[in-house]
Amino acid sequence: ELKVEQNPLFLSMQEGKNYTIYCNYSTTSDRLYWYRQDPGKSLESLFVLLSNGAVKQEGRLMASLDTKARLSTLHITAAVHDLSATYFCAVDRDDKIIFGKGTRLHILP
Amino acid sequence: DTEVTQTPKHLVMGMTNKKSLKCEQHMGHRAMYWYKQKAKKPPELMFVYSYEKLSINESVPSRFSPECPNSSLLNLHLHALQPEDSALYLCASSQAIGTGSYEQYFGPGTRLTVT
Repeated sequence: ELKVEQNPLFLSMQEGKNYTIYCNYSTTSDRLYWYRQDPGKSLESLFVLLSNGAVKQEGRLMASLDTKARLSTLHITAAVHDLSATYFCAVDRDDKIIFGKGTRLHILP
Repeated sequence: DTEVTQTPKHLVMGMTNKKSLKCEQHMGHRAMYWYKQKAKKPPELMFVYSYEKLSINESVPSRFSPECPNSSLLNLHLHALQPEDSALYLCASSQAIGTGSYEQYFGPGTRLTVT
């Protein structure tokens, strides 16, 4: 059974700081996704990582994938309040995607 | 058009009511999904349709009945729901399963309250 684990599950950080969210998964998969969800809203696709060593960046967010370690990271650089949200990683297997529990990110001004 | 639309946005229904949730996409995607999401939890997959045929049912109770009338539309028929079924119901679509990228595009969701 595929398991997807994120940590931390909750993160409170100051504006301007850097931090990393980790996503580990238990079985082989070559595709990993990061989504953002604002309270009461739907999921917004941030990154699709399709191969080992893939790195993608958008603004202050950078995601990477190490398929050998079954690990993806979402790095936040110089955090700003607008990045406060819940971030989910997800891995696909057998025609469906399995979500991690999500990381609730709260950025303090 | 990269949008998935869902109606209604909010729905309140009694346990004896019958209602339907609707989802539509015009991206030419051939896979569509229903998810249920409780507060502060990740989305839970309910159903997957591939080329308008049900391919995955995650052991969902029969009071939820999905329907895919064509490649652009997905419905979820609700009957005799329980209060614990109250949640955000999300629809998503992706390119056909087996094409190598299953990036899913999510609709805004329907907030369902069962009284």
